[in-house]
Amino acid sequence: GAVVSQHPSWVICKSGTSVKIECRSLDFQATTMFWYRQFPKQSLMLMATSNEGSKATYEQGVEKDKFLINHASLTLSTLTVTSAHPEDSSFYICSASISGTSASGANVLTFGAGSRLTVL
Amino acid sequence: GQNIDQPTEMTATEGAIVQINCTYQTSGFNGLFWYQQHAGEAPTFLSYNVLDGLEEKGRFSSFLSRSKGYSYLLLKELQMKDSASYLCAVRDSNYQLIWGAGTKLIIKP
Repeated sequence: GAVVSQHPSWVICKSGTSVKIECRSLDFQATTMFWYRQFPKQSLMLMATSNEGSKATYEQGVEKDKFLINHASLTLSTLTVTSAHPEDSSFYICSASISGTSASGANVLTFGAGSRLTVL
Repeated sequence: GQNIDQPTEMTATEGAIVQINCTYQTSGFNGLFWYQQHAGEAPTFLSYNVLDGLEEKGRFSSFLSRSKGYSYLLLKELQMKDSASYLCAVRDSNYQLIWGAGTKLIIKP
């Protein structure tokens, strides 16, 4: 089946540094990928929609200059958390929509394994 | 506003049956998804409902009533590995996914 690979699975960094998270579609082409953030015991929050070859679409309240998204190819999207602060510590998850993967033919989101960011 | 409601936590016994409810108020409806998420891991797809009725897949079944804005996920013959959070998500008229906060299911021996 379709696999989304996300790296790194966890990262610890100092406040003020930048961290890059990669998301790859391994056996399919993903023109669109989604980046989510999840705080403990809370729901998934969509941060942005990453479109190959164009600018990402950010959700309201998400700083585009802080969370840089690059989708340079059909198999790779990256999220860079710039000048990270402790409040950015969270679980970041990427996903891609695979067309017609449910029994009913619906587009189903396939998630990467997630990246746990801890900013000291 | 758009809203998805699920119980925060439920407890059940190994071998038993549990039903996790989800109610929603969204701007339009284009399908409802259930995902399973183990602690510290990403969600994995369980089921999809777009028409009213019951969808069965092994030990898991999902039901939808669009007129009531209601769905449930039914888990039978519970196993310890079913301990996880179960997320309900609705796709609205803009094909945006609206996520519930998830229901943490605790299975006891």
